[in-house]
Amino acid sequence: AQTVTQSQPEMSVQEAETVTLSCTYDTSESDYYLFWYKQPPSRQMILVIRQEAYKQQNATENRFSVNFQKAAKSFSLKISDSQLGDAAMYFCAYKGGSRLTFGEGTQLTVNP
Amino acid sequence: DAEITQSPRHKITETGRQVTLACHQTWNHNNMFWYRQDLGHGLRLIHYSYGVHDTNKGEVSDGYSVSRSNTEDLPLTLESAASSQTSVYFCASSASGTPSRNTEAFFGQGTRLTVV
Repeated sequence: AQTVTQSQPEMSVQEAETVTLSCTYDTSESDYYLFWYKQPPSRQMILVIRQEAYKQQNATENRFSVNFQKAAKSFSLKISDSQLGDAAMYFCAYKGGSRLTFGEGTQLTVNP
Repeated sequence: DAEITQSPRHKITETGRQVTLACHQTWNHNNMFWYRQDLGHGLRLIHYSYGVHDTNKGEVSDGYSVSRSNTEDLPLTLESAASSQTSVYFCASSASGTPSRNTEAFFGQGTRLTVV
């Protein structure tokens, strides 16, 4: 079975600074997708960014980018120019087939 | 706009009672999922369905059941609620077919269930 591990239960960053959230996963599959979801206090799950395993180029969405290291099974999220609205719980997720497997989550605090 | 809705948003129930949480989606998605969210565990899969009359157990299915009689709905039933089932429950849906692996999952707003 696939597993996803987020080793940082909590992280903090100063407004306008950069922060990186870590995620590792375990799988025997070669074709899969990886996602980062954001969950603000409203509880809504919001897709932040996605990465196809077969693509070598790291995905980027505005201030959000990933560092995908397939051999190391690592998928970190970098948030640049952090904003107060980035404060949330962030979940890393693995998708092989139709099922999503989530990590434990990282609570991000943004300090003004 | 298409959406996925859960009801109720909050519920308090007593130990031993049967509870049903509703999930309704208008995306016309074949795939539907139920997760529970607990601190330190992220979201864990309870049950899932790939289409009408199809249901499958996830990693934490004990004490829960689902049925899929149409495309839009996947109700989650707690047969006899236990305090260990106090949690936040999320329903999600996604499209199937090619390229199914690329399709994101859409989530409901969650139901906070407290079993006392």
